Amino acid sequence: QVQLQESGPGLVRPSETLSLTCTVSGDSISNYYWAWIRQPPGMGLEWIGHTYFFGSTNYNPSLKSRGTISLDTSKKQVSLKLRSPTAADTAVYYCARIVTLFGAIDYMDVWGKGTTVTVSS
Amino acid sequence: QPVLTQSSSASGSLGSSVKLTCTLNSGHSGYSIAWHQQQPGKAPRYLMKLEGSGAYDKGSGVPNRFSGSSSGADRYLTISNLQSEDEAVYYCETWDSGFREFGGGTRVTVL
Repeated sequence: QVQLQESGPGLVRPSETLSLTCTVSGDSISNYYWAWIRQPPGMGLEWIGHTYFFGSTNYNPSLKSRGTISLDTSKKQVSLKLRSPTAADTAVYYCARIVTLFGAIDYMDVWGKGTTVTVSS
Repeated sequence: QPVLTQSSSASGSLGSSVKLTCTLNSGHSGYSIAWHQQQPGKAPRYLMKLEGSGAYDKGSGVPNRFSGSSSGADRYLTISNLQSEDEAVYYCETWDSGFREFGGGTRVTVL
């Protein structure tokens, strides 16, 4: 049974880079897309971006090119880096697996438990 | 790009049924969606994929009480025999090749 575990610092200064890791267990990392999603306190879900071992990476335009998502297949990890964070980036961050259908991107079927990140000086 | 609209809240008595709606914007009425459930203090959980035809495919362990249907641009999630553990926020999700979007979520209260 596949499991996703997010990890990273709970507090990030505005001058730093927000860096998170999602470790995948129980399945291959190369057969799926992998996404990051966040949820600000008391609010809904926001897609940050997704990546695929055999393809490109896409990001939510609202990030204004501050984000980078990458895969480390040897460690079975998906990482997220968000540059120049502000208080508006304070949220619970989730990673999720996205299935493919005949090679095309499809729905999210597995979620991690999430990790809380606060951006504050 | 597809945009999803959900009503903010719904409620039902224990044992009753509730039907949630997720509406796709103009020009995207044929898109498939997925429904996710987020219980208080927990991560979202995948419930089902729902196609424009009304066909749906549930995730592992999702109770039979949950079902999906479609009509035009509307995608529905019906919860029958409402239980206390169904009290949660329900999000719909849709996607394109380089984009994905969540609806604002519907909070379901069990009376």
